[in-house]
Amino acid sequence: DGGITQSPKYLFRKEGQNVTLSCEQNLNHDAMYWYRQDPGQGLRLIYYSQIVNDFQKGDIAEGYSVSREKKESFPLTVTSAQKNPTAFYLCASTPGQNSYNSPLHFGNGTRLTVT
Amino acid sequence: GDSVTQMEGPVTLSEEAFLTINCTYTATGYPSLFWYVQYPGEGLQLLLKATKADDKGSNKGFEATYRKETTSFHLEKGSVQVSDSAVYFCALSEAGGSARQLTFGSGTQLTVLP
Repeated sequence: DGGITQSPKYLFRKEGQNVTLSCEQNLNHDAMYWYRQDPGQGLRLIYYSQIVNDFQKGDIAEGYSVSREKKESFPLTVTSAQKNPTAFYLCASTPGQNSYNSPLHFGNGTRLTVT
Repeated sequence: GDSVTQMEGPVTLSEEAFLTINCTYTATGYPSLFWYVQYPGEGLQLLLKATKADDKGSNKGFEATYRKETTSFHLEKGSVQVSDSAVYFCALSEAGGSARQLTFGSGTQLTVLP
């Protein structure tokens, strides 16, 4: 079955370390997204990519970086510059640019804890 | 800009009770509207959607009607089950304009007691 795989499910890091969260999809979707979810809050968009080798900042990009070297993969790096990195991170995808009424497909998330 | 306002939770109901979760939106154009559900420890799943005014989305006994005149998309279910316990998110997506995707509400936690 096609889907989005995020790994690992739980991740622990010390403050000051960069950490990379993996997101892989086999849905053949062009567009991929990273969201951050904090308790009691909705989802906030970090970065998105409409096509390979191109990506755009979302609402809260500071302290994060991404790459899109392959269609299937959209890793997110949480850098030491991110002031409050502990959160639940969700990766999602849609077929393409004009898919505004197509639903997002989500992975099961990575819970990052930084101490 | 676009925004979505959801009824604040948490909501606690007994099994077989009637559920309503209110959702209103602000958008400049003619958005598509969605309800997503998030079970504990998981990502979000699409529950239902409506793409134009007066459309009714339905799935698993849940329903929501796209009301342009009241800019609302309230989620309803006639008889909830324990397995419906989850967080529910209302969202909109606007055609044209920015290539960015959905605007989410803050989510409503539902707990159904046996």
